[in-house]
Amino acid sequence: DAKTTQPNSMESNEEEPVHLPCNHSTISGTDYIHWYRQLPSQGPEYVIHGLTSNVNNRMASLAIAEDRKSSTLILHRATLRDAAVYYCILSLGFGNEKLTFGTGTRLTIIP
Amino acid sequence: NAGVTQTPKFRVLKTGQSMTLLCAQDMNHEYMYWYRQDPGMGLRLIHYSVGEGTTAKGEVPDGYNVSRLKKQNFLLGLESAAPSQTSVYFCASRTSVDTGELFFGEGSRLTVL
Repeated sequence: DAKTTQPNSMESNEEEPVHLPCNHSTISGTDYIHWYRQLPSQGPEYVIHGLTSNVNNRMASLAIAEDRKSSTLILHRATLRDAAVYYCILSLGFGNEKLTFGTGTRLTIIP
Repeated sequence: NAGVTQTPKFRVLKTGQSMTLLCAQDMNHEYMYWYRQDPGMGLRLIHYSVGEGTTAKGEVPDGYNVSRLKKQNFLLGLESAAPSQTSVYFCASRTSVDTGELFFGEGSRLTVL
């Protein structure tokens, strides 16, 4: 199974952009890159996903390296409500339905 | 919309007791998952199901059994609870499409004494 590697923790100042990295060097051509986040005492929630091209939605942007071995979740203007654990996971292609989470990156927002 | 509902939300068991956690989804999703999360840790996949009548093992299946008799329900059973199974359990569901978003329940906190 393709694995992802993320830093254990990061800090960012409020109202500044945040770049959360994820390495997935063994990704295959059909694997989608998904990001979820888990706010304190809640279940994870979907943030964004992509395959090859960069993606934007109301919550964040996803920048995918040209070789797809890494990606970066971008929060354009962090707020205190963005403090959470962020998980980068791979949807392992059609026919492999397992979705495994790593330990994620704990993002702390400094007021 | 109810989404994914887990019952019960809290439970305390004694070692050796049995119990069942129920996950219900009203989105007609094919795939359902059970995860556990220990304090300060990420989520670990216990079992999952790709459709009614099917189940498969995840990363940490030992000590748990599951059933998917109806498409909307996914049950997680502990036949003989152990203190090591003290955890928060999350259920999730999604469509069968690769890009399908995972929807999570609010979690069930289980303590085994």
